[in-house]
Amino acid sequence: AQSVTQLDSHVSVSEGTPVLLRCNYSSSYSPSLFWYVQHPNKGLQLLLKYTSAATLVKGINGFEAEFKKSETSFHLTKPSAHMSDAAEYFCVVSLTGGGNKLTFGTGTQLKVEL
Amino acid sequence: DAGVIQSPRHEVTEMGQEVTLRCKPISGHNSLFWYRQTMMRGLELLIYFNNNVPIDDSGMPEDRFSAKMPNASFSTLKIQPSEPRDSAVYFCASSRRGSGTEAFFGQGTRLTVV
Repeated sequence: AQSVTQLDSHVSVSEGTPVLLRCNYSSSYSPSLFWYVQHPNKGLQLLLKYTSAATLVKGINGFEAEFKKSETSFHLTKPSAHMSDAAEYFCVVSLTGGGNKLTFGTGTQLKVEL
Repeated sequence: DAGVIQSPRHEVTEMGQEVTLRCKPISGHNSLFWYRQTMMRGLELLIYFNNNVPIDDSGMPEDRFSAKMPNASFSTLKIQPSEPRDSAVYFCASSRRGSGTEAFFGQGTRLTVV
């Protein structure tokens, strides 16, 4: 079985400060991990993905995530938040070798304040 | 590429009516997913297809829901009869088959059952 746990349902930061959105995964096999973003009333867009290559993954809009097997974590970070980053973020896992069924976390709502 | 195309974008229907949601995946993608998103339950995988064949429909809530994929470029999700609790945003996504491949999402269909 595979699952992801997003540790915070809401995160609030000031514009220009760092962003940290936390995700822990559970998987019996080597996982592939993704972060998706959803802006209000929009579909989901891929931010970045990890598929057993480099453990530090860079994505769009200045986001990056680090795969830490020892901690079973895949936290999403950004050095400096922008107002346009306000959205909901989903951590997603799929099994390597298990097809491509994606299992979504419950989401973290990011609020960016002036 | 136009991306994943869903229709209609919005649907309002009366309880008891049949509702059909449509999806055109990205050309060349051979996996297709139907998700439902609500405030209470978040994103739920309803069913997914590989090469037009349903692989996992364990997320389909009950017999009122059915999904088909008659060919590689078209899928439908049907609810008959519809109920107010079916009100949600329904997303279709497609991907290339294979481990670690990301899914591309449509803009969703917002269904309201009154």
